[in-house]
Amino acid sequence: AQTVTQSQPEMSVQEAETVTLSCTYDTSENNYYLFWYKQPPSRQMILVIRQEAYKQQNATENRFSVNFQKAAKSFSLKISDSQLGDTAMYFCAFMKHAAQNFVFGPGTRLSVLP
Amino acid sequence: DAGITQSPRHKVTETGTPVTLRCHQTENHRYMYWYRQDPGHGLRLIHYSYGVKDTDKGEVSDGYSVSRSKTEDFLLTLESATSSQTSVYFCAIRGQGATTNNEQFFGPGTRLTVL
Repeated sequence: AQTVTQSQPEMSVQEAETVTLSCTYDTSENNYYLFWYKQPPSRQMILVIRQEAYKQQNATENRFSVNFQKAAKSFSLKISDSQLGDTAMYFCAFMKHAAQNFVFGPGTRLSVLP
Repeated sequence: DAGITQSPRHKVTETGTPVTLRCHQTENHRYMYWYRQDPGHGLRLIHYSYGVKDTDKGEVSDGYSVSRSKTEDFLLTLESATSSQTSVYFCAIRGQGATTNNEQFFGPGTRLTVL
């Protein structure tokens, strides 16, 4: 079974600074998808970024980018120019190709400080 | 907005009572999911559905049942609620577009408290 680990339960960053959230996963699959979701205090789950394992290029979405290291089974999220609105829980998720469901990590609570 | 609603949004009930949570979607998605969210565990899959009357168990299905008699509705039932089922419950659908396939979109969540 796949597992997803987020080793940082809580992190904080100063506004406008850069922060990196870590995620590692365990799988024997070669073809899969990885995601970062954001959950602000409103509780709504919001997709931040996704990465297909067959793509070598790291995904980017505006201030959000990932460092995907397939051999190391690592998928970290970098947030540049942090904003107060980035304060949220961040969940890393894994889905193997042709599977039906995601496996989520336990989450990292990020606080952006003014 | 993937057109997903959940009802009720909050519920307080007593141990031993039956509880049904409803997930409703408006965009004819085939796959629907129920997760529970607990501190330190992230989201864990309870049950999912891949079509009308087609459902399967997830990681934490004990004590829960589901039904899907219409494409748009996916019901989660706690036959006899226990305090360990106090949690936030999320419904999700799987995207069907070329760019959203393999993504999941979530409802707003239901906070359930079992006293």
